[in-house]
Amino acid sequence: GAVVSQHPSRVICKSGTSVKIECRSLDFQATTMFWYRQFPKQSLMLMATSNEGSKATYEQGVEKDKFLINHASLTLSTLTVTSAHPEDSSFYICSARGAGGPDTQYFGPGTRLTVL
Amino acid sequence: DAKTTQPTSMDCAEGRAANLPCNHSTISGNEYVYWYRQIHSQGPQYIIHGLKNNETNEMASLIITEDRKSSTLILPHATLRDTAVYYCIVRPWDGNRDDKIIFGKGTRLHILP
Repeated sequence: GAVVSQHPSRVICKSGTSVKIECRSLDFQATTMFWYRQFPKQSLMLMATSNEGSKATYEQGVEKDKFLINHASLTLSTLTVTSAHPEDSSFYICSARGAGGPDTQYFGPGTRLTVL
Repeated sequence: DAKTTQPTSMDCAEGRAANLPCNHSTISGNEYVYWYRQIHSQGPQYIIHGLKNNETNEMASLIITEDRKSSTLILPHATLRDTAVYYCIVRPWDGNRDDKIIFGKGTRLHILP
């Protein structure tokens, strides 16, 4: 299947700093990208959906000013956690979907964020 | 909210078939059943999907009941590498690019040596 990469795979930062996570579709064009986060022993929770060239749609309860999403190209989306705090420590997973619909949706390997 | 119900956990002996049930009694006519799995500290991996007919691929088989209110994922010869959380998801395929995958709690499958 197609490949979705995330960078970095793991990041540790101090409280109050901002962290950017990249999500790339390596061999297909992703018209839609999704960002999830997952706390230990819990399921994935959808944070936001972004379509290339337009503003992201955030799920209820997710602060759009804290989790900035940019989907500037068909192969790259970024999630920036602004002014990170320890409670933002989590496993962040992106998913990319091509123009072919649900059958062309793939998940990245995840980024583990630890905020000290 | 997830529209599926799955057992919290299951055990299966290595080499045996693992049968994972899923209830989706409110499934709509245009909704497919998808299965993903997540191995610890990795992203979810697509396994299989179906609408109403049984499906089989190199990873698994999917059996959907005639009324489509439940399904079973079958891993024919489970190995230790199949230990993971398995998610059953229903989602429409109607070309809406905002269609999104909502994960439930899934089933934690332990393959025992």
